[in-house]
Amino acid sequence: KAGVTQTPRYLIKTRGQQVTLSCSPISGHRSVSWYQQTPGQGLQFLFEYFSETQRNKGNFPGRFSGRQFSNSRSEMNVSTLELGDSALYLCASSPSAGIEQYFGPGTRLTVT
Amino acid sequence: QKEVEQNSGPLSVPEGAIASLNCTYSDRGSQSFFWYRQYSGKSPELIMFIYSNGDKEDGRFTAQLNKASQYVSLLIRDSQPSDSATYLCAGAGGGADGLTFGKGTHLIIQP
Repeated sequence: KAGVTQTPRYLIKTRGQQVTLSCSPISGHRSVSWYQQTPGQGLQFLFEYFSETQRNKGNFPGRFSGRQFSNSRSEMNVSTLELGDSALYLCASSPSAGIEQYFGPGTRLTVT
Repeated sequence: QKEVEQNSGPLSVPEGAIASLNCTYSDRGSQSFFWYRQYSGKSPELIMFIYSNGDKEDGRFTAQLNKASQYVSLLIRDSQPSDSATYLCAGAGGGADGLTFGKGTHLIIQP
């Protein structure tokens, strides 16, 4: 089976702009979670989607949002970018919620 | 607040020896635990998961879970230089609240 794919892999944006990241889960997986990874904070949970519904959300401001489509593909959006949003954004897919998750390669976002 | 604690290291182990990585967690409601390996510049790769108290073995890897002590460990036997990486411990609660990760232990296997 093909793994989790994320696009784009690298992105450079300017403060105040918005960005949309995309994730395609492993075939047959219905749960998609998003994480932010920074050197200082480590891996932090953003949100999880299952069958097009957001099941839970981490402790991030409303500028961070996401959605899931009927084919389980997911997107996350960050509006009004800040310098502190520079991070590796990781998508993980799982056959169902609450069990082992498999990560994609990530999108490296740099905000200048 | 749910927390997963790991010693950041670096943990240096000679090649061929057993590497022991440890993790403690604060949420007694956590049901499942996962060990991920992350090479520099790469994304985390799932290497073990454990749901029940006791040991679970897979090749050179053994995961151990002690829910009473809120303690999870990963043993790597016959350590190889390719095992040098950051190892992330993660826990999941009974609800759908995502994985809570520790900040990882940097493991160095010395040839």
